[in-house]
Amino acid sequence: EADIYQTPRYLVIGTGKKITLECSQTMGHDKMYWYQQDPGMELHLIHYSYGVNSTEKGDLSSESTVSRIRTEHFPLTLESARPSHTSQYLCASSVYRGDQETQYFGPGTRLLVL
Amino acid sequence: QKEVEQNSGPLSVPEGAIASLNCTYSDRVSQSFFWYRQYSGKSPELIMSIYSNGDKEDGRFTAQLNKASQYVSLLIRDSQPSDSATYLCAVKGRDDKIIFGKGTRLHILP
Repeated sequence: EADIYQTPRYLVIGTGKKITLECSQTMGHDKMYWYQQDPGMELHLIHYSYGVNSTEKGDLSSESTVSRIRTEHFPLTLESARPSHTSQYLCASSVYRGDQETQYFGPGTRLLVL
Repeated sequence: QKEVEQNSGPLSVPEGAIASLNCTYSDRVSQSFFWYRQYSGKSPELIMSIYSNGDKEDGRFTAQLNKASQYVSLLIRDSQPSDSATYLCAVKGRDDKIIFGKGTRLHILP
């Protein structure tokens, strides 16, 4: 059982607002990810991190930022929300056993931008 | 060409039969392959991972990998109604990113 948490679970917000989606894990995993998923569509990688002070861009990174100041915490910030940001945001963390990576997902945040 | 391709379905399989889900990938040097199950409105849940050519079995699930053909599949034996979900294929490429396919919707007919 993976202990990875996301808050808020649901968020409705107006255009232009700055929002931060929180993700925390208590498993001590170094690698963490943010994905965006629209209904019935694939997960798109937004950002990922190898550990503290490491952040890497995915395919949809241009409109958001992340930080990794602590191992357990990987927040995602949208500086100016737009209706096109309406989606589900999934956070994940990974554990390595040798070179084999196992990824665990949080429950997700559903974002609606009006 | 998309990096990870799956038939979106829906794939309808009678209860008790074998469900076969397929996935192809474009990055020839990919080394890690994953199958996730995602129920509607929920997060993906890892079912199987496979790293070597051949078959890997875990209970009713068997993952098959053919790197030469860039093909990975998931077989579900004795399909149950609770297996009805979207199955996501994911591949870890040379850049260390885990990339997902669009998923195949599986519907088990009672």
